[in-house]
Amino acid sequence: GESVGLHLPTLSVQEGDNSIINCAYSNSASDYFIWYKQESGKGPQFIIDIRSNMDKRQGQRVTVLLNKTVKHLSLQIAATQPGDSAVYFCADLYNNNDMRFGAGTRLTVKP
Amino acid sequence: KAGVTQTPRYLIKTRGQQVTLSCSPISGHRSVSWYQQTPGQGLQFLFEYFSETQRNKGNFPGRFSGRQFSNSRSEMNVSTLELGDSALYLCASSPTDRSSYNSPLHFGNGTRLTVT
Repeated sequence: GESVGLHLPTLSVQEGDNSIINCAYSNSASDYFIWYKQESGKGPQFIIDIRSNMDKRQGQRVTVLLNKTVKHLSLQIAATQPGDSAVYFCADLYNNNDMRFGAGTRLTVKP
Repeated sequence: KAGVTQTPRYLIKTRGQQVTLSCSPISGHRSVSWYQQTPGQGLQFLFEYFSETQRNKGNFPGRFSGRQFSNSRSEMNVSTLELGDSALYLCASSPTDRSSYNSPLHFGNGTRLTVT
């Protein structure tokens, strides 16, 4: 069936390096995508979103790239900090009423 | 602005019991969604309420039910608890229903339910 998922369950980076977290989606009708960050003991926190009519969107230290041709979404975090350690989820919305979440990538930042 | 508030934070119940979880959305938000999060299944959608009406429902048995009040606060009920119901239950609110663009969900910190 249709799904959204992440390429790697874990990612370890050095503090100060850039991080790239990837996500693939299967439904070409998906038209809205969101990245969430979940720290231990907390609920998912909204990071950034992008509509399907865009290829790129930037926030503070984060950039989301959308490649609709290969149905791929990525989150780039610049100058990764220890506070960025968390689980990152991508989510997509299609048919205007069904939001699905990927399994998550655990990002660990090494000092 | 206060965030989404879920109570209680932790619950321990035994099989066969029922449980009610509560969620207060961000002020002004009219949509409340509930999700179950487990290590094996990730985040799974339970249901969404908008203006006291259930708009969408996920693929969960009828033991899982919910409601929304006129002040947008929502409750979720699970009857005849099973061991497999142990999970983190997350509530999320948004200003509009999910048919609108640029309307990300804002999550609470969840209720950790343990069924023994």
